[in-house]
Amino acid sequence: DADVTQTPRNRITKTGKRIMLECSQTKGHDRMYWYRQDPGLGLQLIYYSFDVKDINKGEISDGYSVSRQAQAKFSLSLESAIPNQTALYFCATSAPGQGGNEQFFGPGTRLTVL
Amino acid sequence: RKEVEQDPGPFNVPEGATVAFNCTYSNSASQSFFWYRQDCRKEPKLLMSVYSSGNEDGRFTAQLNRASQYISLLIRDSKLSDSATYLCVVNIGRNFNKFYFGSGTKLNVKP
Repeated sequence: DADVTQTPRNRITKTGKRIMLECSQTKGHDRMYWYRQDPGLGLQLIYYSFDVKDINKGEISDGYSVSRQAQAKFSLSLESAIPNQTALYFCATSAPGQGGNEQFFGPGTRLTVL
Repeated sequence: RKEVEQDPGPFNVPEGATVAFNCTYSNSASQSFFWYRQDCRKEPKLLMSVYSSGNEDGRFTAQLNRASQYISLLIRDSKLSDSATYLCVVNIGRNFNKFYFGSGTKLNVKP
C-alpha cells in the first residue's frame, strides 16, 4: 500500500464550487505539505504543517485553506474554485531533521476547474 | 527572480551518452540540496541528495558549488529508463521548512 495517498485522483468541477482534496499518510511523519504544479513551472508551495497545531502559508496560499485533522491527515480546500486553479496538486510528507529530509509525495490529484 | 532556475531542455541524447544538468539558486542561505526525478504525470521521487563534497550513486554524480550557487547532476552511460524530468530542489529556512523546486529539466534518451 502507498505510504502517502490522495483522494480524489482526478476531479472536474465548475467555477465557484467548493472542493476538498484529501491526503493521508502512514509514514508517521509530522511534516506535511501541499503543492501545485503547472506545466513548465516547478512545484509551488501552498501550505505546510509541522504538526497538528501548526499551519503555515506557502508561496501561493490565496484562494486555498487547509485543515490538519490528525498527524496523518492534511486536507486542502478551494473555497470557490476558479479556472486558474486548474493544476496538478501534490501532498508530501517529511520527517524533521538537520538539513531538510527527503519529501515523500502522494500520487497527485489532477484538478480541472471549468 | 526565481529561487531555483533550470534549463527546461529537452536534452535528447543517445543511449550510452553522458549528460549533465546544472541548476542555479538565488538564496545564499540555502541549506540543503536535492535532485528529484519526475516521470510524466507522476509524483516526484528523490534521486539523490547533494553534499558539499560531491557525491556519487552508481551512474549519477551530484556536485555543489556554493561560491557560484549552483548544483549539477551528471548521468553516465544513459539508459532509456533515465528518460524523465529532473527537478532541482533547495531547502531554505531556519527549521529547514521550505523546499523550493526548479521547473525541471527534461531528458529524452533515445535508442
